[in-house]
Amino acid sequence: EIVMTQSPATLSVSPGERATLSCRASQSVGSNLAWYQQKPGQAPRLLIYGASTRATGIPVRFSGSGSGTEFTLTISSLQSEDFAVYYCQQFDHWYTFGQGTKLEIK
Amino acid sequence: QVQLVESGGGLVKPGESLRLSCAASGFTFSDYYMSWIRQAPGKGLEWVSYIHSRSASIYYTDSVKGRFTISRDNAKNSVYLQMNSLRPEDTAIYYCARFARVYSSDWPFDFWGQGALVTVSS
Repeated sequence: EIVMTQSPATLSVSPGERATLSCRASQSVGSNLAWYQQKPGQAPRLLIYGASTRATGIPVRFSGSGSGTEFTLTISSLQSEDFAVYYCQQFDHWYTFGQGTKLEIK
Repeated sequence: QVQLVESGGGLVKPGESLRLSCAASGFTFSDYYMSWIRQAPGKGLEWVSYIHSRSASIYYTDSVKGRFTISRDNAKNSVYLQMNSLRPEDTAIYYCARFARVYSSDWPFDFWGQGALVTVSS
């Protein structure tokens, strides 16, 4: 099983600032990496797929980068609605998710 | 617009069974592979199972093999998860989700239902 490890577990950032979230795979997944946002009581929402392609309707302030085993999700200027839990997921060999990064207001 | 609506969750005792349903609308259901993904209370996401667009192939995560069965009825635009021999560790919100491209499972999940809570407790 490919293990996905996200860091940090919690990230405190002020509105308007940049947030950088990391995700590491236990073996290479190529570019078969997605990012999701989940708010309390809601289902996850697909943000990024193919490591760097924004899903339909996702604002340009969300960007993804990386390949192989190291990936990053960057939110360029945090809005109030961006504070949530973020998950990375690999779909290279079956489907596994990271444990999540909680993005909270500083 | 794409909608996925789960139903059938509830409270059951260990060893009992439950059947979840997911009704799809807003897209050509028979073109898409479908999946179930679960989330234990306060925990992360775990893929459970997926089914080919025409039921030609089915896969499960190891922890549910032999106990859970996924199926679909394309005439009813629905996917199901029959859960037998339930254990306390199966307690979770169960989401049905669509793979992001037609005729393929090599993609992430672009639409999710609101989830159905399954609680297994004596």
